[in-house]
Amino acid sequence: RKEVEQDPGPFNVPEGATVAFNCTYSNSASQSFFWYRQDCRKEPKLLMSVYSSGNEDGRFTAQLNRASQYISLLIRDSKLSDSATYLCVVMNSNSGYALNFGKGTSLLVTP
Amino acid sequence: NAGVTQTPKFRVLKTGQSMTLLCAQDMNHEYMYWYRQDPGMGLRLIHYSVGEGTTAKGEVPDGYNVSRLKKQNFLLGLESAAPSQTSVYFCASLGDRGSISNQPQHFGDGTRLSIL
Repeated sequence: RKEVEQDPGPFNVPEGATVAFNCTYSNSASQSFFWYRQDCRKEPKLLMSVYSSGNEDGRFTAQLNRASQYISLLIRDSKLSDSATYLCVVMNSNSGYALNFGKGTSLLVTP
Repeated sequence: NAGVTQTPKFRVLKTGQSMTLLCAQDMNHEYMYWYRQDPGMGLRLIHYSVGEGTTAKGEVPDGYNVSRLKKQNFLLGLESAAPSQTSVYFCASLGDRGSISNQPQHFGDGTRLSIL
């Protein structure tokens, strides 16, 4: 079983819609959690870190539930430019703080 | 400030050939990583290094070797390339030892490698 699981989608939504992505992880000792964005097989770019208290960055809200080992990302008022693959990522202190990536969830925002 | 630079960006090899991918970072980072990304698979860790002169195996190390002779460089070698190694390879680096857990990894642009 892969350590980080996420629905691959694709999610096709109209501009202005709200869309939510979910992710689960299997290693309860995981330390840090992130959402990355990847465009057309270019390098992944950090979207935001994820904390148990929840955190918001503009239209993006991320939430971590350690008890359920569940991570979420909410995008409000979707823009065409939000079309990308969203990667759920977990960091453990073993493996030299390497990242464990989910397979990614594809989002297409349409006019 | 270039960040993380990967060389080359594209390469086509024949089965059995060897090559080395170079990753260079100018941020004085201790940690460096090599990942590969295949369609539908997400990024997977090949090898990593926690400092100059150290290397360790990741999730998918077979068929690859690495070296970290200088802090700023992390080399990934394919001794005898196989079609299964056709992939996009990403290098990344991570900062100082003191405050690691929420720092972002810095990624290079990737190397697209095809093995025929």
